Amino acid sequence: SQQGEEDPQALSIQEGENATMNCSYKTSINNLQWYRQNSGRGLVHLILIRSNEREKHSGRLRVTLDTSKKSSSLLITASRAADTASYFCVPLGYQKVTFGIGTKLQVIP
Amino acid sequence: DTGVSQDPRHKITKRGQNVTFRCDPISEHNRLYWYRQTLGQGPEFLTYFQNEAQLEKSRLLSDRFSAERPKGSFSTLEIQRTEQGDSAMYLCASSLGVSEEYSNQPQHFGDGTRLSIL
Repeated sequence: SQQGEEDPQALSIQEGENATMNCSYKTSINNLQWYRQNSGRGLVHLILIRSNEREKHSGRLRVTLDTSKKSSSLLITASRAADTASYFCVPLGYQKVTFGIGTKLQVIP
Repeated sequence: DTGVSQDPRHKITKRGQNVTFRCDPISEHNRLYWYRQTLGQGPEFLTYFQNEAQLEKSRLLSDRFSAERPKGSFSTLEIQRTEQGDSAMYLCASSLGVSEEYSNQPQHFGDGTRLSIL
């Protein structure tokens, strides 16, 4: 299995600003998924981007994937206090899902 | 909407006791996963089932841990002779899978069972 490495590990921004989180991985993938986890809760699937896609949007989320650099980014635009959570990327080939430490995002009202 | 539910939400027990957690997945999902998560870390894979078959167990899952999914629906995770190091959040997730290979479908998580060992 492989896991994504999220960067930065912690990020603090003001409400209304954009938040960018990065993910790097090591081996080839079929797709990459991003999850969010609010404190004390389970994980919520946010978005899936396939290896043949370069960019994907979902509401205020924008995900990019660069398979040549083995990296992905998650952009949250116009952040809200409710976006405060940990964010995990999961690169998937034919292995079990493995989670890294995540990026802990704090959005200050 | 009946998502993944886990019971109990919190469990406090003395060291050496046995505990059992239950997970009810989304009804049409044939795959079920168990994870353990400690503070500040991401979830660690423990085991997963496709229908009633347990297809993989992590090396993290010592002999004291056992999981079952008897009818391919709900699952239980039992920890025998609990130790301090077992204190963690235990998460269950489910997904659809169409082959014997690991599923690339999104996983749906429950809110976990938080275990505290006194």
